[in-house]
Amino acid sequence: QVQLVQSGAEVKKPGASVKVSCKASGYSFTTYYINWVRQAPGQGLEWMGRISADNGNTNYAQNLQGRVTMTTDTSSSTAYMELRSLRSDDTAVYYCARDHEFVVGFDYWGQGTLVTVSS
Amino acid sequence: DIQMTQSPSSLSASVGDRVTITCQASQDISYYINWYQQKPGKSPKLLIYDASNLETGVPSRFSGNGSGTDFTFTISSLQPEDIATYYCQQFDNLPLFTFGPGTKVDIK
Repeated sequence: QVQLVQSGAEVKKPGASVKVSCKASGYSFTTYYINWVRQAPGQGLEWMGRISADNGNTNYAQNLQGRVTMTTDTSSSTAYMELRSLRSDDTAVYYCARDHEFVVGFDYWGQGTLVTVSS
Repeated sequence: DIQMTQSPSSLSASVGDRVTITCQASQDISYYINWYQQKPGKSPKLLIYDASNLETGVPSRFSGNGSGTDFTFTISSLQPEDIATYYCQQFDNLPLFTFGPGTKVDIK
């Protein structure tokens, strides 16, 4: 069965970087885009961007351009999201989500990774 | 940028009630909207795609409607397991996506 398993919680200081991983299994990794969505405590969902696991093409949300980088390692079927110059308002649960097989949308999600930014 | 608004932001209803949530886009997005359910402490789940199509395995008490700028999401008979926050998601300007602010549904 399809699974996306994310790395564990992180605590970072303001100005630092964080890299969250998302290991896929149960399907052909390079066939689908992986999206990243974050959710600040008690807040809604924010789409951050996506990466083609086939060719590495990326699309980022405008407000994160320049601070976020999404990559993949096809040898381990793992997607990564790195966020730099962390601020307190980057504190959030970060999710990876696979593009739906047949329609536009996200059909499988990781369990989420809590990133806390605090001095 | 396309902005999405949802109303109400929260609601309380009794088991068996009909619940309707609306989502409005700042411009015409045709039928390019999905609806997700997020239970507390869990990852979101796709319920409705392309405004009105039920995702495989989703109970038929969930439905969606609308086109253009105004959309509705309905639970025909609210069940205790439907306690969650519901989000609309527009994809008119792919490859970018935008979520609505969410509607929290509780049992009265």
